[in-house]
Amino acid sequence: DAMVIQNPRYQVTQFGKPVTLSCSQTLNHNVMYWYQQKSSQAPKLLFHYYDKDFNNEADTPDNFQSRRPNTSFCFLDIRSPGLGDAAMYLCATALARNPTDTQYFGPGTRLTVL
Amino acid sequence: KNEVEQSPQNLTAQEGEFITINCSYSVGISALHWLQQHPGGGIVSLFMLSSGKKKHGRLIATINIQEKHSSLHITASHPRDSAVYICAVAPGAGSYQLTFGKGTKLSVIP
Repeated sequence: DAMVIQNPRYQVTQFGKPVTLSCSQTLNHNVMYWYQQKSSQAPKLLFHYYDKDFNNEADTPDNFQSRRPNTSFCFLDIRSPGLGDAAMYLCATALARNPTDTQYFGPGTRLTVL
Repeated sequence: KNEVEQSPQNLTAQEGEFITINCSYSVGISALHWLQQHPGGGIVSLFMLSSGKKKHGRLIATINIQEKHSSLHITASHPRDSAVYICAVAPGAGSYQLTFGKGTKLSVIP
């Protein structure tokens, strides 16, 4: 089945130790989004790719970077995780950047920072 | 910036009850999405509305553009409907970023 896959589902890292989260999709969608969702809060958009074009949200910390080596894969790199970065990280895809386009979400990666 | 308010924040219902979750927003939009998030974390898109009403199985979503209000109804609720339901709005044409509500946590008791 076509889907959005995130690995790992659970990630534990130490304070300051770099971590990479991955997202892959079989939908051949042009847009890939990364969201951060903290407990009991709404998802917050970190950045997105439209094809190879990277778009960073203004308030996304420099500690967060992303790579999209091809259409199918997108990575979220956290260079020096702090305790405040513990959250669920959600990847979503969409065919295009239209407000009416459905976003297809992956299952998320829950990040714990010790 | 659009403010999205959902009510209630928490809802407990007996199996079989009719459920309504409300969403209000402050600025005109081009589309409104209803999403479902299960305890494991994954989010599923239920509906996209730009006007009127949509139905899928036991779920019905309506939107009133003039009143800036949408409702999600669940008929004959079931424990498997237990989840967080999130309303997200998309602003005018040319803007893609969704503004999310904080969600309504629904628990359906057998």
